[in-house]
Amino acid sequence: EVQLVQSGAEVKKPGESLKISCKDSGDSFPNYWIGWVRQVPGKGLEWMGIIYVADSDTRYSPSFQGHVTISADNSISTAYLQLNSLKASDTAMYYCARRQVGTTWFDYWGQGTLVIVSS
Amino acid sequence: YVLTQPPSVSEAPGKTAKITCGGENVGSNRVHWYQQKPGQAPVLVIHSDTDRPSGIPERFSGSKSGITATLAISRVEAGDEADYYCQVWHDSDHRGVFGGGTKLTVL
Repeated sequence: EVQLVQSGAEVKKPGESLKISCKDSGDSFPNYWIGWVRQVPGKGLEWMGIIYVADSDTRYSPSFQGHVTISADNSISTAYLQLNSLKASDTAMYYCARRQVGTTWFDYWGQGTLVIVSS
Repeated sequence: YVLTQPPSVSEAPGKTAKITCGGENVGSNRVHWYQQKPGQAPVLVIHSDTDRPSGIPERFSGSKSGITATLAISRVEAGDEADYYCQVWHDSDHRGVFGGGTKLTVL
């Protein structure tokens, strides 16, 4: 069974960096894309970027390019989202989600990682 | 790339609730729908305009006409109360986009 398990909640100070993980316990890596989605409290879903785990081909939303880094280690079936120079406005829930090759939708989602940025 | 959804939709139990998703990109791309209940991750309920994933009740259906896609939930019940998001993928520049979301209230 596919299961994406994300790392736990984080509290950070402005200016710090953070790396969130998303591990596939169902062994579907590496032949899938893993996308990252942000949800600010009380707001909608925002697509941040996506990585093809097998070869680390990565694409970013223009809204997040330069502020985040997406990576993956297929030897441990894990994808990562790094957030740089955190601001209070980065406070949000971050989800990873799987997209099968040849499709355009996200069929499985992680449980989400809450990030709080506060001084 | 903008997908426009109504902020809220209300319907009485047993009726059919309809949520729309509009935009220039809808006509030329497959539309997918997600349900998100409070405190939970999104769940795929419709993909490729009309297809229902395994495990999703038949009460959920999707359609598309021109630049507007519609998610219909028949015989709506209290358990269907959630936020619903449409999504498309742009192959040309490998970019995803979500609609703003619609809060469904069952009266």
